[in-house]
Amino acid sequence: EIVLTQSPATLSLSPGERATLSCRASQSVSNYLAWYQQKPGQAPRLLIYDASNRATGIPARFSGGGSGTDFTLTIGSLEPEDFAVYYCQHRSNWFTFGQGTRLEIK
Amino acid sequence: EVQLVESGGGLVKPGGSLRLSCAASGFTFSGYNMNWVRQAPGKGLEWVSSITGRGTYIYYADSVRGRFTISRDNAKNSLYLQLNSLRAEDTAIYYCARASNNWNYYDYWGQGTLVTVSS
Repeated sequence: EIVLTQSPATLSLSPGERATLSCRASQSVSNYLAWYQQKPGQAPRLLIYDASNRATGIPARFSGGGSGTDFTLTIGSLEPEDFAVYYCQHRSNWFTFGQGTRLEIK
Repeated sequence: EVQLVESGGGLVKPGGSLRLSCAASGFTFSGYNMNWVRQAPGKGLEWVSSITGRGTYIYYADSVRGRFTISRDNAKNSLYLQLNSLRAEDTAIYYCARASNNWNYYDYWGQGTLVTVSS
């Protein structure tokens, strides 16, 4: 079973700063990794699929990278609406999620 | 516009049952694999169950196998989850989610329905 480990658990930044979130897989997942954003009281929203492809309607400040076991989600310049929880996800046997990174306002 | 709308959640006693529904619109429902994902209060996301477009193949997480049953009615564009033998640890928001064409990720989610298991 593949385990996804996200770091850091919490990231405190200010609007306008650059955010880098990490997701590490316990074994190679090729580029089959997705990222989701979840705001309080809302359902998750797909941001990135296949490690680096932005989903429909996602702003260009969101970018994904990596392959194999190490992946990053980068938010180029934080907007107030970007403060949320972010999850990575892979489908191996079945759908597996990381534990999440909370991006909070500093 | 793709829309997924869950219903059927509520408060139920341990050992009780509940049936969740998800009404889909804005896409050819029978052409997509569908899923249930849950989130316990203050916790992360957990895959629960999946069903292929025609209902031919069904899959469950170990934590719910034998207690939950997923089904779909393509004529009604609806997905269901029958929850039996409920436990306190089943308390969660249950989301209906559409799988991508390659089944590698979820491209659309409903707003969720809350299931609370408590005496």
